Amino acid sequence: GAVVSQHPSRVICKSGTSVKIECRSLDFQATTMFWYRQFPKQSLMLMATSNEGSKATYEQGVEKDKFLINHASLTLSTLTVTSAHPEDSSFYICSAARGANVLTFGAGSRLTVL
Amino acid sequence: KQEVTQIPAALSVPEGENLVLNCSFTDSAIYNLQWFRQDPGKGLTSLLLIQSSQREQTSGRLNASLDKSSGRSTLYIAASQPGDSATYLCAVRTITQGGSEKLVFGKGTKLTVNP
Repeated sequence: GAVVSQHPSRVICKSGTSVKIECRSLDFQATTMFWYRQFPKQSLMLMATSNEGSKATYEQGVEKDKFLINHASLTLSTLTVTSAHPEDSSFYICSAARGANVLTFGAGSRLTVL
Repeated sequence: KQEVTQIPAALSVPEGENLVLNCSFTDSAIYNLQWFRQDPGKGLTSLLLIQSSQREQTSGRLNASLDKSSGRSTLYIAASQPGDSATYLCAVRTITQGGSEKLVFGKGTKLTVNP
């Protein structure tokens, strides 16, 4: 079956540093990948839609200069949290689209900013 | 703006019980509705996908229904097992005003099945 690998699964960093999270579709090509974040006791919220070869589309309220998304190939999208602060601590999940209705989710990345 | 609500927020049942999780959404203009399972610290596992033209879907002990006109869906779990303990998320797929598709999630129902 389709597998999406997300790395790292857990990262702890100091305030002010940048963190990169990778999302890879292992056995299929994904022209579209989605990035979500989930704060404790909150809904999973879409941050941005990443399309291979073009700029990502960000949801309202998500700073594109802070959350850099690169979808350089059909199997890899990266999310870079720049100058991370404690309020960026969250659970980040990516998903990759196979066809119109099939989404496969990564295992998520727990970011803790000290 | 589409909003998804899940009730209850948490549910604890003894093993073997049948149970129902509820999901409601404010805008009936959806493409589909999905139920997911999220285990602690893990990603999402898709359980059932119901297209907007469908009324229900079944997979094993799970049955999901969709009433688009009233903006409601239920996830029925038969003969619950401790391994069913997880957070169950409901999400609807919609089109935004800008023309892009998005999934809108509820906050989830945390299910605990006690042995």
